[in-house]
Amino acid sequence: GENVEQHPSTLSVQEGDSAVIKCTYSDSASNYFPWYKQELGKGPQLIIDIRSNVGEKKDQRIAVTLNKTAKHFSLHITETQPEDSAVYFCAASDQTGANNLFFGTGTRLTVIP
Amino acid sequence: ETGVTQTPRHLVMGMTNKKSLKCEQHLGHNAMYWYKQSAKKPLELMFVYNFKEQTENNSVPSRFSPECPNSSHLFLHLHTLQPEDSALYLCASSQGMARNEQFFGPGTRLTVL
Repeated sequence: GENVEQHPSTLSVQEGDSAVIKCTYSDSASNYFPWYKQELGKGPQLIIDIRSNVGEKKDQRIAVTLNKTAKHFSLHITETQPEDSAVYFCAASDQTGANNLFFGTGTRLTVIP
Repeated sequence: ETGVTQTPRHLVMGMTNKKSLKCEQHLGHNAMYWYKQSAKKPLELMFVYNFKEQTENNSVPSRFSPECPNSSHLFLHLHTLQPEDSALYLCASSQGMARNEQFFGPGTRLTVL
């Protein structure tokens, strides 16, 4: 099955700086890569996703890049704010036709005011 | 709120107890999922239901027994659990499968004594 690795496990940035979280995956057939944000006491919520027919996608301060050749994808958050503090998970889908997501181990982002 | 509710939010049980977790989605979705979230581990997919039919059982021990009476409700029946089963149990739903966004509930924090 798919194996997703995520780095770093913790990340602290000053408010206003950028944050980058990186993930690699093993199954070259995977073609859907969502990113989830999990705040304390809540379940994960989708913040952005990318499909393998594009290399980059942006939504305001959040962007995701995908390199299918290298099998890695990254989340970029610019102009970080304290409310960005949370745990972020990357995921990749398998190709069985089901919506089975394989998740990374998460990155705890802390934005220091 | 994501439209997915879970009860109870916290549960403490002994190894000989029998309890059930409940999930309800108000989004009109037809696929529902149970995940286990343990510290420093990726989210682990446990079960998948599509139109009330179980389509995935990810080698979960039989002490976990899912039930999906309709597309809006999902239960996880627990019996004879072990301390290592202590975790956050997340329910999710999606509209169809095939790489569609999954909406997560807030989870049930389970502690097995």
